Amino acid sequence: DTEVTQTPKHLVMGMTNKKSLKCEQHMGHRAMYWYKQKAKKPPELMFVYSYEKLSINESVPSRFSPECPNSSLLNLHLHALQPEDSALYLCASSQASGGQDGYEQYFGPGTRLTVT
Amino acid sequence: LAKTTQPISMDSYEGQEVNITCSHNNIATNDYITWYQQFPSQGPRFIIQGYKTKVTNEVASLFIPADRKSSTLSLPRVSLSDTAVYYCLVFSYGQNFVFGPGTRLSVLP
Repeated sequence: DTEVTQTPKHLVMGMTNKKSLKCEQHMGHRAMYWYKQKAKKPPELMFVYSYEKLSINESVPSRFSPECPNSSLLNLHLHALQPEDSALYLCASSQASGGQDGYEQYFGPGTRLTVT
Repeated sequence: LAKTTQPISMDSYEGQEVNITCSHNNIATNDYITWYQQFPSQGPRFIIQGYKTKVTNEVASLFIPADRKSSTLSLPRVSLSDTAVYYCLVFSYGQNFVFGPGTRLSVLP
């Protein structure tokens, strides 16, 4: 199974709502990532978890809160978002963060988020 | 991080071979080169990865000259379904992916 799943596929939320994005992989990967992608732009790295610990936070605003409950799951909790946060949120996983053999990243299909 | 430069867009016709060149003048000794493909509203998908010379798999070839300052992704006999954005990335141990703007390939009938 080389699949990364993400739920929901689409999400519309108001600026005062709290919601969560979920990501799951069963490939035994120990590194998981959140990316944000605006229309016609490349993906931008937000967070990296390595062995269930947050290793990279690319200066992401605190209204985005990541969580890694176990090695297969990754959540992104959303609170008080702004309309400019509307984007495609991609989750990815790889064997390990920082090792050349584990650098192939497997991406999920993304969650299309719209903030109204 | 080595910065990459690719053409913004390319057009091709079905059945042709497509070559997309990526420049990475500041590539370091430990850096690898990897290419990803992305269709609209989907996550990027790994295509191929290499260090030097030539790498071939079932979907593409990657040519890297001796100086490693550039690399060329070769897609044989493209079809309409190869219309996508193609990203060239350079990475090494301890670094994470930094996606450049990519090349938007349009395959025409």
